[in-house]
Amino acid sequence: AQSVSQHNHHVILSEAASLELGCNYSYGGTVNLFWYVQYPGQHLQLLLKYFSGDPLVKGIKGFEAEFIKSKFSFNLRKPSVQWSDTAEYFCAVNAGDSWGKLQFGAGTQVVVTP
Amino acid sequence: KAGVTQTPRYLIKTRGQQVTLSCSPISGHRSVSWYQQTPGQGLQFLFEYFSETQRNKGNFPGRFSGRQFSNSRSEMNVSTLELGDSALYLCASSRKTQVSSGSVAGANVLTFGAGSRLTVL
Repeated sequence: AQSVSQHNHHVILSEAASLELGCNYSYGGTVNLFWYVQYPGQHLQLLLKYFSGDPLVKGIKGFEAEFIKSKFSFNLRKPSVQWSDTAEYFCAVNAGDSWGKLQFGAGTQVVVTP
Repeated sequence: KAGVTQTPRYLIKTRGQQVTLSCSPISGHRSVSWYQQTPGQGLQFLFEYFSETQRNKGNFPGRFSGRQFSNSRSEMNVSTLELGDSALYLCASSRKTQVSSGSVAGANVLTFGAGSRLTVL
């Protein structure tokens, strides 16, 4: 079955630490990949997306992600986190012919301590 | 530019009742998708509408239904509510529906609303 896996459910780290969140998917064909973030009390927001081209994509707020096709992975990174990065992060895959249907990972709750 | 607007934001119902949730997409967006978010199951796709037609449907029972109007606004309905239907229901909109006709270079991605939080007692 098609699926999206996020490696960590909870991550706790200190400000200025580096963050890497893993995401793997199990679709065989062409995929569009996304990372969304949900800050406490706020709605889901797009962090970054990959459709094609350069596998290293940059998003908002200093986040970047690398698409590794051979590993079916799309890991999210940030070199130095801030307290305001505390949020839940979701990896999502669009693998069909419709923009509206995304398969989401379970999410990773990230807590950044001052 | 106004975002995706969902109403009501919060509601409480009892088992057996039915509920209707509303979504107004971003102006110019013609595709509307619905998702259910729960702590146990995460974010799950419910259905997608484009040009008043259901284009995709997720793995939910027939109690979950939806529709889209000519102005692209959408509603979803859940009948005979069960305790397990308690969730945050998210609506998202995008300009197009078909990936093949979409602009890859453009931001034809889903923009989500704040959600309608349903509690079933």
